[in-house]
Amino acid sequence: DTGVSQNPRHKITKRGQNVTFRCDPISEHNRLYWYRQTLGQGPEFLTYFQNEAQLEKSRLLSDRFSAERPKGSFSTLEIQRTEQGDSAMYLCASSLVGGGRSSYNEQFFGPGTRLTVL
Amino acid sequence: TQLLEQSPQFLSIQEGENLTVYCNSSSVFSSLQWYRQEPGEGPVLLVTVVTGGEVKKLKRLTFQFGDARKDSSLHITAAQPGDTGLYLCAGAWNNQGGKLIFGQGTELSVKP
Repeated sequence: DTGVSQNPRHKITKRGQNVTFRCDPISEHNRLYWYRQTLGQGPEFLTYFQNEAQLEKSRLLSDRFSAERPKGSFSTLEIQRTEQGDSAMYLCASSLVGGGRSSYNEQFFGPGTRLTVL
Repeated sequence: TQLLEQSPQFLSIQEGENLTVYCNSSSVFSSLQWYRQEPGEGPVLLVTVVTGGEVKKLKRLTFQFGDARKDSSLHITAAQPGDTGLYLCAGAWNNQGGKLIFGQGTELSVKP
């Protein structure tokens, strides 16, 4: 399977615990995005990387959230001291940017990680 | 305030009917993408439109990008139960890292 993969698919945690999610993008893609989706809404942008550099963070990304892409391949999203309001689907997407058709930044999404904070 | 407004939000139709979903904004986008999402899964890319007035067809689905690149529509002909799902439009600006701005989605249910 050469698509975007995310692990775990589901995570249930207690309020105050830390959680970490992993995203493996399509192998040749240089951009990686994180989005959050709550029930009945479209995904909302959180942050993105070009290779290993984190180029933008949304105001939605509080100090409790941190994302890394250390070698420009997989990425992790950590949430510290989880709150019930963090319950959502966390989606990762990747794209290839660099000219031609790919300059239109078609993003391909993984299956998501469903977080439930009790 | 939603930057991209989709309408209708919910649509329940019988198999064989036609339908149109609209995606409207006051902003001009570099490109616009349509996705379909099933419960518990990530969005799946259907099409990308980039040129004002562009029309693309994908089997029974027809996508149009407005002349001013502010709006788009998705038309489904002879809907089938397999078309059921959440349809999302998303706009992007090339000079802002390409992050996608999503509408709130249209939940389509096609009954046999």
